[in-house]
Amino acid sequence: EIVVTQSPATLSVSPGERATLSCRASQSVSSKLAWYQQKPGQSPRLLIYATSTRATGIPARFSGSGSGTQFTLTISGLQSEDFALYYCQQYDNWPLTFGGGTKVEIK
Amino acid sequence: EVQLVESGGGLVQSGGSLRLSCAAAGFSFSDAWMHWVRQVPGKGLVWVSRIKNDGSSTTYADSVKGRFTISRDNARNTLYLQMNSLRAEDTAVYYCARESAMGGSYFQTYWGQGTLVTVSS
Repeated sequence: EIVVTQSPATLSVSPGERATLSCRASQSVSSKLAWYQQKPGQSPRLLIYATSTRATGIPARFSGSGSGTQFTLTISGLQSEDFALYYCQQYDNWPLTFGGGTKVEIK
Repeated sequence: EVQLVESGGGLVQSGGSLRLSCAAAGFSFSDAWMHWVRQVPGKGLVWVSRIKNDGSSTTYADSVKGRFTISRDNARNTLYLQMNSLRAEDTAVYYCARESAMGGSYFQTYWGQGTLVTVSS
């Protein structure tokens, strides 16, 4: 099983600033890495797939990068609605596995 | 608009059974590969199971293999998860989710609102 590790667990950022979230896989997942956003009481929402492709309707301030085992989600110009939990997921190998999440909170 | 609505959750004793349903609308259900993902309240996401669009192929996480069965009824646009021999550690919110329509891309594009399963010991 591929272990996916996210860091940091919590990220404190001021509105308008940039947030950088990291995701590391225990072995290469090629570019098969997705990011999801989850707000309290809601189900996850797909943000990014294939490392860097934004899902339908996702604003351009969300961007993804990386390859192999190291990946990054960058949120530029954080807005109030962006403060949430973020999960990465590898879908290169079974079972599909998620990282433990990064909480982006208001500084 | 894609809609996935789970039902069937509730409180069950350890060793008991429960069947979850997920009613789908707004897309061609018979063409979609579907998943179940669970989440212990306050914890992270854990993938549970996946089923091919025609129901002919299924995949499970080791933690539920032999106890859970995923199935579907394409005539009713409904996905199921039969859960037997339930354990306290199966307590979670269970989400059904639609897989990407792109071949070989197993991430989930749409998620339901989830249904809570509580297993009491």
